[in-house]
Amino acid sequence: EVQLVESGGGLIKPGESLRLSCAASGFTFKTPWMSWVRQAPEKGLEWVGRVKSNADGGTTHYAAPVKGRFTISRDDSRNTLYLEMNSLKMEDTAVYYCTTEGLAALAALDFWGQGTLVTVSS
Amino acid sequence: EVVLTQSPDTLSLSPGERATLSCRASQIVDSRYLLWYQQRPGQAPRLLIYGTSRRATGIPDRFSGSGSGTDFALTISRLEPEDFAMYYCQHYGNPDTFGPGTKVDI
Repeated sequence: EVQLVESGGGLIKPGESLRLSCAASGFTFKTPWMSWVRQAPEKGLEWVGRVKSNADGGTTHYAAPVKGRFTISRDDSRNTLYLEMNSLKMEDTAVYYCTTEGLAALAALDFWGQGTLVTVSS
Repeated sequence: EVVLTQSPDTLSLSPGERATLSCRASQIVDSRYLLWYQQRPGQAPRLLIYGTSRRATGIPDRFSGSGSGTDFALTISRLEPEDFAMYYCQHYGNPDTFGPGTKVDI
């Protein structure tokens, strides 16, 4: 069974940094591309960015609102995905979900974790 | 960037009724990259449909997707109680974008 468990969320002040982790199990972690998606309170879904598999170059892509501030990385030896968030703003407050891509469905965010809440507030 | 609009904002129906949700793209999209997700209250989103019309694993056949070009639809043939939820369409492709969602409620 595919499992994705996010951690690292919490209350943080504007301008500070935070690193989220996503522990994966139940599949060969190095294979799929991985994404982060966030959801502000009572709002819709917003794609944050993705990292390709290392076999596909390991390159990353980001949404415009986070480009230059957020960094996605993966450690295939630890079956873990990361989201490093710097210069946090109040508008980054959201539940952050990690997802697999293409594990069971082509070009799709096919498995999701339960999310971790990040609250940016002074 | 592909901008997605969904209509209606809210669809008020009863169990057993048919639901048709619309997703319109700001430009022609490759049908391989149009997807639908369901999100129940307090839960993570779940993939329903990918490639416009392909059901994800474990999704009942009362869910179907259709469309091409800029106009896409998700149809739920007969609503079950567990289908009352939020539904989002997505365009997959850097950047990925989501529609604002349609709420299906009783």
